[in-house]
Amino acid sequence: DAKTTQPNSMESNEEEPVHLPCNHSTISGTDYIHWYRQLPSQGPEYVIHGLTSNVNNRMASLAIAEDRKSSTLILHRATLRDAAVYYCILRGYGSGNTGKLIFGQGTTLQVKP
Amino acid sequence: NAGVTQTPKFRVLKTGQSMTLLCAQDMNHEYMYWYRQDPGMGLRLIHYSVGEGTTAKGEVPDGYNVSRLKKQNFLLGLESAAPSQTSVYFCASSYDAGGSYEQYFGPGTRLTVT
Repeated sequence: DAKTTQPNSMESNEEEPVHLPCNHSTISGTDYIHWYRQLPSQGPEYVIHGLTSNVNNRMASLAIAEDRKSSTLILHRATLRDAAVYYCILRGYGSGNTGKLIFGQGTTLQVKP
Repeated sequence: NAGVTQTPKFRVLKTGQSMTLLCAQDMNHEYMYWYRQDPGMGLRLIHYSVGEGTTAKGEVPDGYNVSRLKKQNFLLGLESAAPSQTSVYFCASSYDAGGSYEQYFGPGTRLTVT
């Protein structure tokens, strides 16, 4: 299973943009890059995913490097509610068609008012 | 549309007792998963199911059994609970195993074994 590397923690000020990086140098051609977040005492929540092109949705944007070895989750205006652990996960058929998600330590985002 | 629901939300067991955790999804998803999360850690896969009537082992299956008799339900059983099984348990479901499909998670069951 291809692995991802994320910083342990990051801080942001409220209403400022946040860029959360993720390295995945061993990504395979069929792996999608997924981001999930987990708010305190809640289950993980899907944020966004992409394969090659940059993606936008109502929650965030995902910028994918041209060589796909890294990606960045962008929260355009952080709010206090965005304080969570953010997980960057590769998902593809390489896991024996199980679809399982392999969670690392993630990045703990603190948002300061 | 309730998504993924889990029952119960909290439970305290004594060592050796048994219990069943219920996961239900109303999205007609084929794939269902049980994860556990220990304090300060990421989630780890216990068992999963790729369709009604099928189950398979994940990373940490010892001490747990599962059943998927109906497509919408995935049950996780602990036959003889141990303190090492104190954890938060999350159920998830997905339409497909492919990378273009996301997983939807339930709110979790917090289990304490004394």
